[in-house]
Formats: sequence, structure tokens, C-alpha cells
Amino acid sequence: QVQLVESGGGVVQPGGSLRLSCVPSGFTFSRYGMHWVRQAPGKGLEWVAVIWSDGYNRNYADSVKGRFTISRDNSKNTLYLEMNRLRAEDTAVYYCAKVGEEGYNDFDYWGQGTLVIVSS
Amino acid sequence: QSALTQPASVSGSPGQSITISCTGSSSDVANYNYVSWYQHHPGKAPKLLIYAVTRRPSGVSFRFSGSKSGNTASLTISGLQAEDEAHYYCSSYTSSSTYVFGTGTEVTVL
Repeated sequence: QVQLVESGGGVVQPGGSLRLSCVPSGFTFSRYGMHWVRQAPGKGLEWVAVIWSDGYNRNYADSVKGRFTISRDNSKNTLYLEMNRLRAEDTAVYYCAKVGEEGYNDFDYWGQGTLVIVSS
Repeated sequence: QSALTQPASVSGSPGQSITISCTGSSSDVANYNYVSWYQHHPGKAPKLLIYAVTRRPSGVSFRFSGSKSGNTASLTISGLQAEDEAHYYCSSYTSSSTYVFGTGTEVTVL
């Protein structure tokens, strides 16, 4: 049974940094790409970043490019999102999601999310 | 990349069918068969309902179906049930090798 568990959320001041983690189970992590998706309070889902199984190919939403870094450690079975120069508008629940099994650019499993609040 | 456009809310009575639209552009929905749909109950993990426009993952009810015409994709829920009350989001791959979600639709069962 696939499970994704995010952690690392909390309250941080504007301009600050935070690192989120996502620990998967129930599948071979090193074989799949992974995403981060966020949902601001009262808003819809927003795609944040993707990293492919090789760990080198990555892409970002324009809203976070240059501030956020997605990475993975296949030896530790962990996905990360390093968030720098945080802004109030980055306040959201952050979900990690697994790339779909058949390669159709879907998100087939999601975690429960971790809440990040950017506030002074 | 602008969010795909969905109606803010759709409602129906138990047993009825409803359809949620998802309108994009030539940069996403129109030129890729990589449209997927998600059900999201508040406080829970989103759930994949439809991928590759029309495909249903194992375990998802046959009451959920997807289609696409031009730059608009659609999700139909037939035989509406109380448990279908949730938010629904479409998503598409884009020409920039990024991903975009829809604005979200709240489904109410009357």
C-alpha cells in the first residue's frame, strides 16, 4: 500500500527558509518521479515542482523558481523541498505526490500534507 | 501559466449525473492527452479519479468518467451519491514541461 508522509512544516518569518521532507513507502521510490503541490488557505491546488527518478531533471513553477529547490536522496528514500526567501503568499499546505505509474503525467498518490505559515 | 478554468460549483440530486468542465488552451489541454482529475475532501489527501483524459485507475468507481473536446476536458459523475460531495480539480501537462491545475469545483449533493 502506497503511503507518502510529509513533514517539516511550521511558522517562519518572511524572508526565512524551511525544508520539507516526504517519506514514501509501498513502492520503489528510486524508480519514480515526484512532485510537490501546494494549496493556499481557501484556494485551489497549485503545482510547485517535479523531480524525475534520476534526480537531475527538475522543473519549477514560475512562482517559486529561483527560491525553491526540489531534491531527492534515493539512498534515504526521501524527497525534499528547500524553500528560501519565503513570502506570505507561500503560506499553504504542501503535498508531495508520486508520478503516475503509466507515465501519463498524472499524480497517482498523494500525502496528507504539511502546513507552512509565513508570517511575522 | 494560468490556472485551467472550472466552474466554482456544481450541484445535483442523488442519482443524477453532473458534468464539470475544465477549459485550457493550446499550450495544455488542447494539445496533450495528459488531463487528469482529482477528488479532494478537506483535510484529506487528494485522490486520482481519471488520468490520460479517459482512463480510470483500479478501484475508482465506474460512475466517474472523463472526456475531452478541443481545449475543454470534462468529468462526469453519474448516479450522484452523498459521498461525492467534495472539491474536484483537473490538471494538465503543459508545453513548458510544467503542470497546471484547474481552479477547482465544489460539488454539492442536494
